[in-house]
Amino acid sequence: KQEVTQIPAALSVPEGENLVLNCSFTDSAIYNLQWFRQDPGKGLTSLLLIQSSQREQTSGRLNASLDKSSGRSTLYIAASQPGDSATYLCAVEGPNAGKSTFGDGTTLTVKP
Amino acid sequence: DGGITQSPKYLFRKEGQNVTLSCEQNLNHDAMYWYRQDPGQGLRLIYYSQIVNDFQKGDIAEGYSVSREKKESFPLTVTSAQKNPTAFYLCASSPGQPVTEAFFGQGTRLTVV
Repeated sequence: KQEVTQIPAALSVPEGENLVLNCSFTDSAIYNLQWFRQDPGKGLTSLLLIQSSQREQTSGRLNASLDKSSGRSTLYIAASQPGDSATYLCAVEGPNAGKSTFGDGTTLTVKP
Repeated sequence: DGGITQSPKYLFRKEGQNVTLSCEQNLNHDAMYWYRQDPGQGLRLIYYSQIVNDFQKGDIAEGYSVSREKKESFPLTVTSAQKNPTAFYLCASSPGQPVTEAFFGQGTRLTVV
């Protein structure tokens, strides 16, 4: 059974810092890995999708990497802003197609 | 605007009642999903459907039922057999093949009173 772990569970940083969020998974037979953002009481917004054949994806200040063999992904946020404060979740699709497993998330607070 | 609409946003259920949560998408996606989220936790898969008139149980299907009679609609019924239904419920859709992005609705918060 696929298991996804996100460390740390919570993170507080001052505005302007660069930071890294971690996601690890137990079964490397995945189709893709997706990073989401969730604001309190809201749905999920997709940030980045990395296919199993890719090593990284970038969007603006966000960069996500994937190392399938070691079962790890990182989300790098550059020059953090208070508006980045949210919970960040990673989800892995596989080994069963169409079935994703989510981590418990990292709650980020960026202080002005 | 294309997207996923969940209704209602808040729902209150008395003990022993069945309730149905609505999920509609106009993205022409083949696959649809229902997840449950408890405070401080990630999402757990309840049911998913990869094509009309077909659906599969997820990890926590007991006490829930679904139907997929139309491509754009995937309602979830929380039955009286679900002993702890208070949670945040999220619906998602994707084009249906592996290596595709999932899109989420804004969620329904269900509370048992």
